Amino acid sequence: GNSVTQMEGPVTLSEEAFLTINCTYTATGYPSLFWYVQYPGEGLQLLLKATKADDKGSNKGFEATYRKETTSFHLEKGSVQVSDSAVYFCALVISGGYNKLIFGAGTRLAVHP
Amino acid sequence: DTAVSQTPKYLVTQMGNDKSIKCEQNLGHDTMYWYKQDSKKFLKIMFSYNNKELIINETVPNRFSPKSPDKAHLNLHINSLELGDSAVYFCASLLAGGGNEQFFGPGTRLTVL
Repeated sequence: GNSVTQMEGPVTLSEEAFLTINCTYTATGYPSLFWYVQYPGEGLQLLLKATKADDKGSNKGFEATYRKETTSFHLEKGSVQVSDSAVYFCALVISGGYNKLIFGAGTRLAVHP
Repeated sequence: DTAVSQTPKYLVTQMGNDKSIKCEQNLGHDTMYWYKQDSKKFLKIMFSYNNKELIINETVPNRFSPKSPDKAHLNLHINSLELGDSAVYFCASLLAGGGNEQFFGPGTRLTVL
C-alpha cells in the first residue's frame, strides 16, 4: 500500500539552528511529494512540493529533495526562526488516484529564542 | 477573499445529535475533499467529489454523508454523533491539472460531549 513515515516529534531547537525532519514513503506508483505546515490554530498550507525524482522543492528557506533511490523527502532549513514553530506534514499523491493525499503523522517543531 | 471557507469554525454538541459542516471554495476548482484530523494530529481522507460526483469514499461510518449541491460547495452531515467523532474536519479543493496542490480550509473543530 501507499504510506508516509515521518520522524516523531516534538523537535525542539534554538533559533538559528539547522533543521532536518525525516520523511520516507512507500508507493505503488509514481507519487508527487509534499510538505504541508500547520501553524497553531490554523489550517494546512502547502510549504513545498516535488513531482518527480531528483526535483528539489523550496520555499521560505525550507528545502526538500525527492530521492527515489532512498524513497525519501527530508525537509531541511539552515536557520530556523521562532515563527517556524508549527506541525509539519509530509504527504504523497499517487497519479491517477484522484489526488488523494496520504499524510504522515506530522512532526511538531518548537523553536525557542 | 477567503479561497476555501468552512462554517462553523467551532461546533460543540451532545452525543446523538445530527450536525452539518459547510464548505465553499471560490477558486473555480473541480474537486473537493473532506479530511479528518484526530486528537494526535493524524490526517486521513474521508470523501472527495469531482463536479458533484463522489469519487472517493473511504472506510467511514455511514453516519457521515457528504453532499455537493454544486462544484463550489461540499457539505458534511453527521448523524447520531458519537464521542469519537470529536476532531478537526478540513475541507480542501484541487484544480484539475494544477500540479496536484490542494488548498485547505481553516478547519472545523467538532467537540461531542
